[in-house]
Amino acid sequence: NAGVTQTPKFQVLKTGQSMTLQCAQDMNHEYMSWYRQDPGMGLRLIHYSVGAGITDQGEVPNGYNVSRSTTEDFPLRLLSAAPSQTSVYFCASSHDRERTNEKLFFGSGTQLSVL
Amino acid sequence: AQSVTQLGSHVSVSEGALVLLRCNYSSSVPPYLFWYVQYPNQGLQLLLKYTSAATLVKGINGFEAEFKKSETSFHLTKPSAHMSDAAEYFCAVTDTGRRALTFGSGTRLQVQP
Repeated sequence: NAGVTQTPKFQVLKTGQSMTLQCAQDMNHEYMSWYRQDPGMGLRLIHYSVGAGITDQGEVPNGYNVSRSTTEDFPLRLLSAAPSQTSVYFCASSHDRERTNEKLFFGSGTQLSVL
Repeated sequence: AQSVTQLGSHVSVSEGALVLLRCNYSSSVPPYLFWYVQYPNQGLQLLLKYTSAATLVKGINGFEAEFKKSETSFHLTKPSAHMSDAAEYFCAVTDTGRRALTFGSGTRLQVQP
């Protein structure tokens, strides 16, 4: 199994550009989420999904959109990139949508720079 | 609101020395607590988790952590550091009412030869 796959690994955008960060998992996990990692701030939750067609906001959702049309995929969209969105983005999934003590499986991250 | 505080953004130990990484939590309900490790240019991996069973939790790679309710702490320890332990370590908390982890700011562990 590939686990959680994120693409691209690196991306540079200009302010105002849009893009989509891709996340796919092949473990049939119901729960998927997006975090951003910034120095000295740990990881902060952007959006999450407990199943196909169901999404909800996390701690820092502004400027980001998500959708969950299939169990496998959970793309993160930046509609108009801003320098404050320069960060490392991680996608994570877990098997059980109900059990909050479930282990999270992380992708290897996308490093995004917005100029 | 739940939160975790990791004391010390950088910790340096000698190879073979005790590793102690500190984490204190704040939660209004009984928490679930986790330690994750991040090696350079990789995603996070679960080291161990506390889910209200035994207060002393053993994880992978010789790490363990003890849940102390009276001190609201969940410190991570390893008796003898190895060079391969050099990484960033994150403490995280969640509770039965939430679907997301709240992470601490991380502690970078350096292991000196």
